[in-house]
Amino acid sequence: DAKTTQPTSMDCAEGRAANLPCNHSTISGNEYVYWYRQIHSQGPQYIIHGLKNNETNEMASLIITEDRKSSTLILPHATLRDTAVYYCIVRALAGNMLTFGGGTRLMVKP
Amino acid sequence: DAGITQSPRHKVTETGTPVTLRCHQTENHRYMYWYRQDPGHGLRLIHYSYGVKDTDKGEVSDGYSVSRSKTEDFLLTLESATSSQTSVYFCAISEGDRGEKLFFGSGTQLSVL
Repeated sequence: DAKTTQPTSMDCAEGRAANLPCNHSTISGNEYVYWYRQIHSQGPQYIIHGLKNNETNEMASLIITEDRKSSTLILPHATLRDTAVYYCIVRALAGNMLTFGGGTRLMVKP
Repeated sequence: DAGITQSPRHKVTETGTPVTLRCHQTENHRYMYWYRQDPGHGLRLIHYSYGVKDTDKGEVSDGYSVSRSKTEDFLLTLESATSSQTSVYFCAISEGDRGEKLFFGSGTQLSVL
């Protein structure tokens, strides 16, 4: 599975959009981009995933560049409860192992 | 929230003792996983199961064994606990073999003294 690179930490003002980048320059054609988050002391929570088209659900939007070498997770109106570690994972759809790296620690501030 | 229960939530044990952690699901999902989380290492897969009595190793399986005798239960056993196995253990489930959506339990904090 392709390796991902994320900033270690980011801050965001409450009510503003949080844009979390992820680089995955070695991604191959059959690999999806997944995002999970982990709020302190809880298990990780699935957010969204996509292959090449932009995706949106009730939690977030996922923007994948045309060359698929990077992506951005967007939380449109961040709240204090969005403070968490966000993991970007790249993995082929077939296969059962998700590899979690260090992630980005997002701090939403009042 | 997915119906996943991990027990115990916290455990303190001594080096050399056996320890069993339990993961119970009410979702009837086929796939179940055990991860451990340590500072600086993120989450690492220990073992997973793709059906009753069907299990396979993950990236950090040494020192651990698993069993799945029923769809709803996945047990993780440390035959002889060591201090390096002090960690937070998470169970996860997924519906299909693609695993794109994992649902995690609340974790078990294990301390081996």
